[in-house]
Amino acid sequence: AQTVTQSQPEMSVQEAETVTLSCTYDTSENNYYLFWYKQPPSRQMILVIRQEAYKQQNATENRFSVNFQKAAKSFSLKISDSQLGDTAMYFCAFMSYQGGSEKLVFGKGTKLTVNP
Amino acid sequence: GAVVSQHPSRVICKSGTSVKIECRSLDFQATTMFWYRQFPKQSLMLMATSNEGSKATYEQGVEKDKFLINHASLTLSTLTVTSAHPEDSSFYICSADSPGTPYGYTFGSGTRLTVV
Repeated sequence: AQTVTQSQPEMSVQEAETVTLSCTYDTSENNYYLFWYKQPPSRQMILVIRQEAYKQQNATENRFSVNFQKAAKSFSLKISDSQLGDTAMYFCAFMSYQGGSEKLVFGKGTKLTVNP
Repeated sequence: GAVVSQHPSRVICKSGTSVKIECRSLDFQATTMFWYRQFPKQSLMLMATSNEGSKATYEQGVEKDKFLINHASLTLSTLTVTSAHPEDSSFYICSADSPGTPYGYTFGSGTRLTVV
């Protein structure tokens, strides 16, 4: 079974600085997808960034980028120029698609606080 | 972008009654809908996967007779919590495959269920 581990329950960062959230996963599959989702206090889940495992290039979305290390099964999220609105729970998620079945497996989350 | 509308956002019900939660995909067809449960300060746990026109697939440990899922059309999936008890109080979230980009899941805004 796939598992996703986020080892940092809470983190904080000063506004405008950079922070990196860690995520590791365990799978025997070769083709899969990885995601970072943000859940602000409203509890609406918002997709931050997505990475396909077959792509070697790290995904980037504006201030958000990932460091995808497939061999190490690591998928960290870097937030540059942190903003107060980045304060939220961040969930790393793994998804594979096999045999007509797909399922997202989430890590336990990291609570990020951006301080003014 | 793709939107999943989830209602109600909050519901309080008495023990022993049933509650229905609806998720509608707006402007796109959702062949697959996922239902999650989230306890306070915890991650999302997949409860079941529903495919339009067929029976839902439940995760291990989820009571099929208690959490009834219906996916009768490509734009509507419902979760009915039957004979609710206080331990069913939780945050329930649905999500659907979004069109246009591969494996871009869109989440509903969630339903906070309180059973008294």
